[in-house]
Amino acid sequence: DGGITQSPKYLFRKEGQNVTLSCEQNLNHDAMYWYRQDPGQGLRLIYYSQIVNDFQKGDIAEGYSVSREKKESFPLTVTSAQKNPTAFYLCASSGDSSETQYFGPGTRLLVL
Amino acid sequence: AQSVTQPDIHITVSEGASLELRCNYSYGATPYLFWYVQSPGQGLQLLLKYFSGDTLVQGIKGFEAEFKRSQSSFNLRKPSVHWSDAAEYFCAEGNQGGKLIFGQGTELSVKP
Repeated sequence: DGGITQSPKYLFRKEGQNVTLSCEQNLNHDAMYWYRQDPGQGLRLIYYSQIVNDFQKGDIAEGYSVSREKKESFPLTVTSAQKNPTAFYLCASSGDSSETQYFGPGTRLLVL
Repeated sequence: AQSVTQPDIHITVSEGASLELRCNYSYGATPYLFWYVQSPGQGLQLLLKYFSGDTLVQGIKGFEAEFKRSQSSFNLRKPSVHWSDAAEYFCAEGNQGGKLIFGQGTELSVKP
C-alpha cells in the first residue's frame, strides 16, 4: 500500500529538548517537504529536498533541521532554538512532472 | 511576491445546497493550481488539479473547479453539499520550482 507515513501522531517536547519527527514514503518520489500549520495561518514551508543528500530552507527554517540520507526518508528535528514549536507538522512528497504534492497524516507537537 | 488568496475564512451552507469556494492566484500565465481538503487532525487530500487544457476540471467527491485566466481565479464548486464535506479547503499554486504556495484556507460548515 503506497503512501506517506508520519510518526508519531502526537509528540511532547520538554523545554530545551530536541525532538525528531519521522516522515517515510514508498512512492519512489524524489522530492519531499515539511510544512508547519498553525490555526488561521495555512501551511508554511520549513524545508524541502528535491534529491537525496540535498535540501533547501523554506520560509520558516529557523529552529529546525533536516537530513535526506535516503530517498524514502526525510526526518525533521525541532531544536531547542525553536521557541514556539507547538503546531501541526505535515510532510509531503512529489515525484512526477506535475509537481503534485501528496501529504502524510501529520504529527501534532505539544510543549510540556 | 507570489500569493494565493482565499477571501472567505469561514463559509456555512445547508446540506443539499450548492457551494462555491473562491481562490485567486497571482503568478504566471500558465499556473499549476490545486485544491486540497483537510479534515480535523488529518493530512491534506488532493481534490483536483489544473495544469493546462480544459478550464473546467473534475475532481473527487463530486467537486469541480474552473480556471479563469482573465480573473486569475480557480474557484471550487459542488452542486449539492453533503454533511461529510465539512472540512477545511486549501487552494495552492505551484511556482514551477517544485514548491506550492497555499492560501489561508476556507473552513466549511454544513447545516443539517
